Amino acid sequence: KQEVTQIPAALSVPEGENLVLNCSFTDSAIYNLQWFRQDPGKGLTSLLLIQSSQREQTSGRLNASLDKSSGRSTLYIAASQPGDSATYLCAPEYGNKLVFGAGTILRVKS
Amino acid sequence: GAGVSQTPSNKVTEKGKYVELRCDPISGHTALYWYRQSLGQGPEFLIYFQGTGAADDSGLPNDRFFAVRPEGSVSTLKIQRTERGDSAVYLCASSLSSSYNEQFFGPGTRLTVL
Repeated sequence: KQEVTQIPAALSVPEGENLVLNCSFTDSAIYNLQWFRQDPGKGLTSLLLIQSSQREQTSGRLNASLDKSSGRSTLYIAASQPGDSATYLCAPEYGNKLVFGAGTILRVKS
Repeated sequence: GAGVSQTPSNKVTEKGKYVELRCDPISGHTALYWYRQSLGQGPEFLIYFQGTGAADDSGLPNDRFFAVRPEGSVSTLKIQRTERGDSAVYLCASSLSSSYNEQFFGPGTRLTVL
């Protein structure tokens, strides 16, 4: 069974800190991996997509790495801001189907 | 429109009733997906369309659930004889094609079965 685990489940940090969100997946036969953010009561916003042949992808203050063989991805957020507060979801793709973890709830305090 | 849209945003129904949830994908996107999200969990895959056909419906929980996409654009998720356990947020996503799969999600429909 394809399972995704995200650690930590919740994180509270002061504004300005750099932080790391971890994602592990049991089946390494992925096509791609997407990171999303979800604000309370809202849909998902795509942050980054890493192709299975790539090692990392960057967008602004966000950097995502992928180690497909070990079943791990990391989302790095630089200089965190209160507006970054949300739930972050990791989703490897298996044949057009995304499999999601339960997410990391991030709170950035001003 | 610019993004994926879903209607209604909220639906309250009684146990045993029939409901339809609608999804309008991003214009030009050929692939469309339905997911279901329960409180405190990540979304779970239900069904994937490539064009008009359901390419993968392995996530549909039982035969009370059915989805169509007759013209390869708008999709409707249909739930018969609703049960309280069907209460969840139903999310729709679309992607440009099956070979480039960045999925873009709509705001969801919150279904409550009383």
